[in-house]
Amino acid sequence: GAVVSQHPSRVICKSGTSVKIECRSLDFQATTMFWYRQFPKQSLMLMATSNEGSKATYEQGVEKDKFLINHASLTLSTLTVTSAHPEDSSFYICSATIRTSGQETQYFGPGTRLLVL
Amino acid sequence: RKEVEQDPGPFNVPEGATVAFNCTYSNSASQSFFWYRQDCRKEPKLLMSVYSSGNEDGRFTAQLNRASQYISLLIRDSKLSDSATYLCVDNGGSQGNLIFGKGTKLSVKP
Repeated sequence: GAVVSQHPSRVICKSGTSVKIECRSLDFQATTMFWYRQFPKQSLMLMATSNEGSKATYEQGVEKDKFLINHASLTLSTLTVTSAHPEDSSFYICSATIRTSGQETQYFGPGTRLLVL
Repeated sequence: RKEVEQDPGPFNVPEGATVAFNCTYSNSASQSFFWYRQDCRKEPKLLMSVYSSGNEDGRFTAQLNRASQYISLLIRDSKLSDSATYLCVDNGGSQGNLIFGKGTKLSVKP
């Protein structure tokens, strides 16, 4: 089946540093990828929609200058958390949609667990 | 705002039990729904789609009631490996994204 990878799987960083997370579609092209965030005991919340070749669409309350998204190719989207703070500690998950036989299915990456000290 | 509401549980059941989860959704225009399964500290994985006519896959049965905006998941003959959090999902996000409930935690005991 379709596979989405994320790197790194886990990162610990100091407050004020920037962290880049990569999301790759391994065996299909994805014009659109989604970035979600999940805090403990909470649901996955959409942060932004990453569109290949154009600017990302951010959800209300998500700072576009803090969470930089680049979707430079049909198989790669990156999320950079700039000047990370402890409240940014969370589980970040990307997903990509593949359309087969008229049906859309979203596949998720394994997630990146970020801990900001 | 589009929302999906679920009973967080936990549901603690013995092996072999039948357990049912429910959720409600707020967006009456949404057309398709899913149940995802999420294991601890892992990404969500698609369990099954939900149709008005009902959808059965082995021990799992999903049902959608559009009039009540209500979705259910029934697990029969539960196994230890069914222990996980079950996420009710609305496929009606404005960006083509999924809208997740907080999940219902199931723990199947020997």
